[in-house]
Amino acid sequence: DAGVIQSPRHEVTEMGQEVTLRCKPISGHDYLFWYRQTMMRGLELLIYFNNNVPIDDSGMPEDRFSAKMPNASFSTLKIQPSEPRDSAVYFCASSAPAGRGDYGYTFGSGTRLTVV
Amino acid sequence: GQNIDQPTEMTATEGAIVQINCTYQTSGFNGLFWYQQHAGEAPTFLSYNVLDGLEEKGRFSSFLSRSKGYSYLLLKELQMKDSASYLCAVFSGGYNKLIFGAGTRLAVHP
Repeated sequence: DAGVIQSPRHEVTEMGQEVTLRCKPISGHDYLFWYRQTMMRGLELLIYFNNNVPIDDSGMPEDRFSAKMPNASFSTLKIQPSEPRDSAVYFCASSAPAGRGDYGYTFGSGTRLTVV
Repeated sequence: GQNIDQPTEMTATEGAIVQINCTYQTSGFNGLFWYQQHAGEAPTFLSYNVLDGLEEKGRFSSFLSRSKGYSYLLLKELQMKDSASYLCAVFSGGYNKLIFGAGTRLAVHP
């Protein structure tokens, strides 16, 4: 398995522009998570999906952030409009339900977003 | 509320043993994870505890006391490659929802 695949690896954009981050989870994993990591705040859970349905989006900072999972193999996190304070590393992770023996999340390589 | 505390930084010598502590107060508890994260990379799974006691896996061991809201990660025979951040994370609330601590940056010196 290729693991969790995120794109792009790096994104530099100007303030006010729309940014779309993409994620392909591990096949067979039915949970998908979006995290944001900064030096100040560490790893923050933004939103997670189970079987393509958003379960908890309480971590999404503002209405400028939205996430979708149209099918089991693809998810997007969109920021519109982007602001400099959105600069961070955004991780996508997937997992199977606990009890299947393969505990823990598998993280993608992350997208380093810089908004100038 | 959710609160997970770890020391910010630790240093240790190659070949030594280091213990990284984690205390937590969360609404609901379904298990505790430790992750390792090298600079510029994604977190990778190290260990999982759901019952009280010690789980050993090679040079790494993890301990959990649910009544005390306390865990530690023990790293033996430290190697330079163990220099990384170590993240404590708790399954809280939702069945599969992981909340992370801020992480402990470990520097291993020769």
